[in-house]
Amino acid sequence: DTGVSQDPRHKITKRGQNVTFRCDPISEHNRLYWYRQTLGQGPEFLTYFQNEAQLEKSRLLSDRFSAERPKGSFSTLEIQRTEQGDSAMYLCASSPGGQGNTGELFFGEGSRLTVL
Amino acid sequence: GEDVEQSLFLSVREGDSSVINCTYTDSSSTYLYWYKQEPGAGLQLLTYIFSNMDMKQDQRLTVLLNKKDKHLSLRIADTQTGDSAIYFCAETLYNQGGKLIFGQGTELSVKP
Repeated sequence: DTGVSQDPRHKITKRGQNVTFRCDPISEHNRLYWYRQTLGQGPEFLTYFQNEAQLEKSRLLSDRFSAERPKGSFSTLEIQRTEQGDSAMYLCASSPGGQGNTGELFFGEGSRLTVL
Repeated sequence: GEDVEQSLFLSVREGDSSVINCTYTDSSSTYLYWYKQEPGAGLQLLTYIFSNMDMKQDQRLTVLLNKKDKHLSLRIADTQTGDSAIYFCAETLYNQGGKLIFGQGTELSVKP
């Protein structure tokens, strides 16, 4: 399967622990996005990368959140000192970027975080 | 500012047409999208429309765009029980790195 893959699919952790999620985008896509989705809401933009450069971060991304894409391929999203309010589905998406494409984002199935 | 709004629920009978509505606020939107999310699954693109179009048809799906009123709709003809899902409207803005701004989603329930 050459779609966007995310790992782990589910993570249960205790408040105060650190968690890390990984996203492998579609291989020829140079843009990678992280979104957060809570129950009954649409996905909210967190951050995005063009190759290895992180070009935008939402105000939703507090100092406890950090995202990297070191070689312009896979990306990690780390949440430090988790809080119960961090419980959500974390979605990764990728796109080819560039001119002339439709801007469609290809989403992974998400990583569900539960903070106890 | 960026804001996309949708009604939260729609219930129809199998075989009827469904119409899901969306309003957006940013007039610089370039593309507008409809995504579908089934329980426990990621978002899947259904269709999109470029901002200089007012209608697009794709099999059972018809998208209507009214730029003046900043209103987007998705019509599903002959709705089936397999169409039950949450439908998200989204916009992308010119020179915003391709990020999408999503509505809160409309839950479509199709009754047999």
